[in-house]
Amino acid sequence: DTGVSQDPRHKITKRGQNVTFRCDPISEHNRLYWYRQTLGQGPEFLTYFQNEAQLEKSRLLSDRFSAERPKGSFSTLEIQRTEQGDSAMYLCASSQTGRYGYTFGSGTRLTVV
Amino acid sequence: RKEVEQDPGPFNVPEGATVAFNCTYSNSASQSFFWYRQDCRKEPKLLMSVYSSGNEDGRFTAQLNRASQYISLLIRDSKLSDSATYLCVVNRDSGNTPLVFGKGTRLSVIA
Repeated sequence: DTGVSQDPRHKITKRGQNVTFRCDPISEHNRLYWYRQTLGQGPEFLTYFQNEAQLEKSRLLSDRFSAERPKGSFSTLEIQRTEQGDSAMYLCASSQTGRYGYTFGSGTRLTVV
Repeated sequence: RKEVEQDPGPFNVPEGATVAFNCTYSNSASQSFFWYRQDCRKEPKLLMSVYSSGNEDGRFTAQLNRASQYISLLIRDSKLSDSATYLCVVNRDSGNTPLVFGKGTRLSVIA
């Protein structure tokens, strides 16, 4: 499969726990994006990388959130001390230049109870 | 004003109907425009890019009016399989900036 892969597909966690999600982009894509989507809303931008450099973080990305792309390949998104408001679909996307649209992974659905 | 605004719908149309979705964007410097399709509980998938000259892909036609900062998507001869949410997408600013998504317009095609 040469698409964008995300793991896990679903995660249920108790409030206050830490969670980490993984994204494997399309191998020839140098840009990787994280978005968050809640019911009835479009995806909201969180952060993006070009190769291993994190170029931008949204104001939505509080200090409880951190993202890495250590070798310019896969990326991880960690949420510390989860809150119920963090419940959402976390989508990863990749692109070669960004000008021709992104390819999304299937997402990780997080439920904080 | 929101960066990308769409009529949320839902649009309920019979098979074979023609339906049009509209979208406005706030930043005149935006340069990249797309329509994405999202099925329930699935990821968004690129439907088509939108060019200034307008473009067509089978039953789908997209148009861009830069002066009015307006984008449209026309679906002709609607199929049951067209039922989905259609997301209007614009890059945030000039250059290679991240994409901003509208809330989406939900379409239900009824037999």
